[in-house]
This record gives sequence, C-alpha cells and structure tokens, in this order.
Amino acid sequence: NAGVTQTPKFQVLKTGQSMTLQCAQDMNHNSMYWYRQDPGMGLRLIYYSASEGTTDKGEVPNGYNVSRLNKREFSLRLESAAPSQTSVYFCASRGLQRGEQFFGPGTRLTVL
Amino acid sequence: DAKTTQPPSMDCAEGRAANLPCNHSTISGNEYVYWYRQIHSQGPQYIIHGLKNNETNEMASLIITEDRKSSTLILPHATLRDTAVYYCIVRIGGTSYGKLTFGQGTILTVHP
Repeated sequence: NAGVTQTPKFQVLKTGQSMTLQCAQDMNHNSMYWYRQDPGMGLRLIYYSASEGTTDKGEVPNGYNVSRLNKREFSLRLESAAPSQTSVYFCASRGLQRGEQFFGPGTRLTVL
Repeated sequence: DAKTTQPPSMDCAEGRAANLPCNHSTISGNEYVYWYRQIHSQGPQYIIHGLKNNETNEMASLIITEDRKSSTLILPHATLRDTAVYYCIVRIGGTSYGKLTFGQGTILTVHP
C-alpha cells in the first residue's frame, strides 16, 4: 500500500495563476480531507469529503475548490493564487475502524 | 469539539520516558482523545486514541484521568527520532467526517 500520495511535492506560482493539487489513497477510505499548514501553526481544514460525491467546506475554504473525482482521488484547486496561499498542503483520508487520519507527505506551495 | 491545552515545549533524555500532558476540561461524554505527532516537514502521524480507559499500542500509552478532564501520552523509551510536535485532539467519535482541529501542540525535543 502506498497510503496517501500527493503531487506535486513542490510548486512555485505567480499571483493569479491557477493550479490543481492532486491526492490519492489506496486504502478504500470513504472520507478525505485537505488541510493547510502555515509556518509555526497547526493544520487548518480547507475542505473535506465525507464520501464519494460529497464535499463540504472546512475552516478556511475561501480561494479554493475541490473535486472528489472518485473514491480514491480528491483534488484541490486554486483558481487565482494569492501570496496568502503560500503554505504546505496536506491531504488525508480517514480509516473506518479507529477513525484515525492518514496523511500524505504534503505539497509545499509558494505564491510570489 | 472540546478545546485542549498543552505545554508549548518539553525536553526528554534519550532512553527515558516522555510524558506529555494534555488538559481537556470541557470534554463531553462522547468525545475521544486522539494523539498525533508531526516530525519536521512530514505529514502528521496517528499515535493512539482513547475514550475513557487507558490504552497501549506499539508506539505509546495513553492515560486518561477518571474524570476525563486530562490525559497523558507516554513514550516509554524516547529516541532521537521521537523529536516532533505532538498534538492532543478531542473530537466526537463516530461522526461521518471526523474533522480534526489542530492546536499548537507540544514540541518534544529528545536529547542524547
């Protein structure tokens, strides 16, 4: 099992550019999440998907959109990147038995 | 979800037990205590969780007080690789999406 994978690992954007962060899990989990982590801070929830076909806003959804493409994949899109979106983005999926979340390695995004 | 309070930092000597406290005085009856850790630049990693009984797994032990208002994560024989930020999170079990609210956590530094 690869667990939770994220692409790309690093990305530099200019203000106003768009991009999509990809996330996939191979553990057959229903729930998936996108978090961002700013320097010296804890993680904050951007969007989540309780199950295939559903998505909901988290704590900091402004400036982002998501797509739950299928059970495995959950993508995060920045339509018009801003410097305030410079952060590390983590994707996670949730196990059914214990409810713990499994996190990917993160995408480090810099918006100039 | 109940708020948690953790010390900002702790030190521990390698080979000794690391005891990380967490206060969650407003915890309600259906809320679980979860512990995660984040090693520098990596995604958070699940450690252990519990409702009211003490729990032990291959990584750590979790001691929850009888009134459930506080808990302690115990790493029995800390190694240098246990240096990380440790997050205590309280959340309702059995929710459909299992949102995690991350605070500042405790920076544990294990010294040789």
